[in-house]
Amino acid sequence: DTEVTQTPKHLVMGMTNKKSLKCEQHMGHRAMYWYKQKAKKPPELMFVYSYEKLSINESVPSRFSPECPNSSLLNLHLHALQPEDSALYLCASSQVTPEGDTEAFFGQGTRLTVV
Amino acid sequence: GENVEQHPSTLSVQEGDSAVIKCTYSDSASNYFPWYKQELGKRPQLIIDIRSNVGEKKDQRIAVTLNKTAKHFSLHITETQPEDSAVYFCARPSGASKLTFGTGTRLQVTL
Repeated sequence: DTEVTQTPKHLVMGMTNKKSLKCEQHMGHRAMYWYKQKAKKPPELMFVYSYEKLSINESVPSRFSPECPNSSLLNLHLHALQPEDSALYLCASSQVTPEGDTEAFFGQGTRLTVV
Repeated sequence: GENVEQHPSTLSVQEGDSAVIKCTYSDSASNYFPWYKQELGKRPQLIIDIRSNVGEKKDQRIAVTLNKTAKHFSLHITETQPEDSAVYFCARPSGASKLTFGTGTRLQVTL
């Protein structure tokens, strides 16, 4: 199984809503990532979990709250988002190597629209 | 941190022609140089990568070349086909877990 599975595929939420994005992988990868991708732009790193611990937070606003319940699951909790947060949210996973010289496997993404 | 410049931003070629995309990097700490392809509405996927102990790597119609002196690496696609139409990203790792993507090249292969 070389898949990273994300749910839901599409999400529309109001600015006062609370929602969660979910990501799952069963490749035994111990690094998991959240990326944000706006139209016609590259993926931008938001968070990195390494061995289930948050290792990188790229100065992401607190209305985005990541969680890694175990080595296979990664969540992104959303609260009080703004319309400009509308984007494709990509989860990825990889092996952990000292130099990061390993393939990142991406999920198909959640297309989020904030209204 | 790593700074990755990618050119061109768009590229249109006729089917059967070759396409070349170039990335220039600033940080020489990492020895790993991957390329990702993202088709419209789909996830980015690794298509080829190279490590700095070699200057070129080929996989069928795709090749990557590395010039460590000039700090750039390039993606070469030969005999392009319509299914090669996509956005291509170079990337560079910064440390163990951070992957920085280039700005992307939208390749259009026309019939």
